[in-house]
Amino acid sequence: KQEVTQIPAALSVPEGENLVLNCSFTDSAIYNLQWFRQDPGKGLTSLLLIQSSQREQTSGRLNASLDKSSGRSTLYIAASQPGDSATYLCAPAEGGSEKLVFGKGTKLTVNP
Amino acid sequence: NAGVMQNPRHLVRRRGQEARLRCSPMKGHSHVYWYRQLPEEGLKFMVYLQKENIIDESGMPKERFSAEFPKEGPSILRIQQVVRGDSAAYFCASSWGTGAYEQYFGPGTRLTVT
Repeated sequence: KQEVTQIPAALSVPEGENLVLNCSFTDSAIYNLQWFRQDPGKGLTSLLLIQSSQREQTSGRLNASLDKSSGRSTLYIAASQPGDSATYLCAPAEGGSEKLVFGKGTKLTVNP
Repeated sequence: NAGVMQNPRHLVRRRGQEARLRCSPMKGHSHVYWYRQLPEEGLKFMVYLQKENIIDESGMPKERFSAEFPKEGPSILRIQQVVRGDSAAYFCASSWGTGAYEQYFGPGTRLTVT
């Protein structure tokens, strides 16, 4: 059974800092891995999708890496802004079943 | 291109009533997934459907819950005889195909059982 752990559970940083969010998963047989952000009381916004054959993916100030063999992914956010404040969720897609398995997320607060 | 649409956004039901949650996938998407987010918990997979077929319902409670995705119209998640423990946010996602495709999420339906 796939289990996903995200560390840290919460993070508070001053505006402008570069930061790294960590995600680990127990079963390396995945199709892909998605990173999402969730604002309070809202739905999920997809940030990045990394295929199982890829090592990293970039979008603007975001960069996600994937090390499938060790069951790890990281999300790097450059030059953080108050608008980045949200909960960030990591979700590998299980091989053979399509479903996403979610961690509990990292709640990020970027202070002006 | 409209995103994934869910309605209603908020639903209040008394214990014992039925709840019907609707999800319209993104245009061109024929794969729908339902997830549930209980208070203070992470999102959990419930069911995966393609048009007229349930592909994986391993996350669905065995009783009172059912889902469908008819040939025409939205996907429906139905909860019969709701109980307080069903209070949660229910999210629908859709994708273009299987395997390597991105899932896009709707805004969710927040169900409150009184």
